[in-house]
Amino acid sequence: RKEVEQDPGPFNVPEGATVAFNCTYSNSASQSFFWYRQDCRKEPKLLMSVYSSGNEDGRFTAQLNRASQYISLLIRDSKLSDSATYLCVVNTNAGKSTFGDGTTLTVKP
Amino acid sequence: DTGVSQNPRHKITKRGQNVTFRCDPISEHNRLYWYRQTLGQGPEFLTYFQNEAQLEKSRLLSDRFSAERPKGSFSTLEIQRTEQGDSAMYLCASSVGNTGGKETQYFGPGTRLLVL
Repeated sequence: RKEVEQDPGPFNVPEGATVAFNCTYSNSASQSFFWYRQDCRKEPKLLMSVYSSGNEDGRFTAQLNRASQYISLLIRDSKLSDSATYLCVVNTNAGKSTFGDGTTLTVKP
Repeated sequence: DTGVSQNPRHKITKRGQNVTFRCDPISEHNRLYWYRQTLGQGPEFLTYFQNEAQLEKSRLLSDRFSAERPKGSFSTLEIQRTEQGDSAMYLCASSVGNTGGKETQYFGPGTRLLVL
């Protein structure tokens, strides 16, 4: 079993749809959590950090459930430009990062 | 450009040859990471440095792989006796350390390696 697991998708949604991605992690010592976005053949870029209280950045909302070791990302009002692979990242206190294999989103007109 | 840079961007080599990649991090970042990514997978952690000290190395990294960061600035990743299974994108990232793992990593564009 992988340390960080994501539903690979692909998720194909129309513009304007709301879509949610899930991620589970197995290392209970994990301390910090992130969502990165990766466009095709490009490097990953930080989308948002995930805080225990949940956090929102525009159309994006991230949630963390430490008891269930579960992270989620919600995208509202999807845009064509949201089409990408979304990577869940979990860090230990020592700074080691473990990436999920990503969830692919395609937003269609 | 003040981002993370990597050279070369592409490398084609024959099986058995040695290759070396370079990463120049963002100048004020003291942490530097190397990852490997293959199609359909997320980046796989290889190793990381805090300044010039190599703090962790993945158990998946064979003895053919070595990384250095001699002056705490740029880093090199060398693969000896390359195998076809080494074909992948090699990503470098840097961050400001000492924040308990909460820091953002900034990635370079990667070096795409193809071993024939």
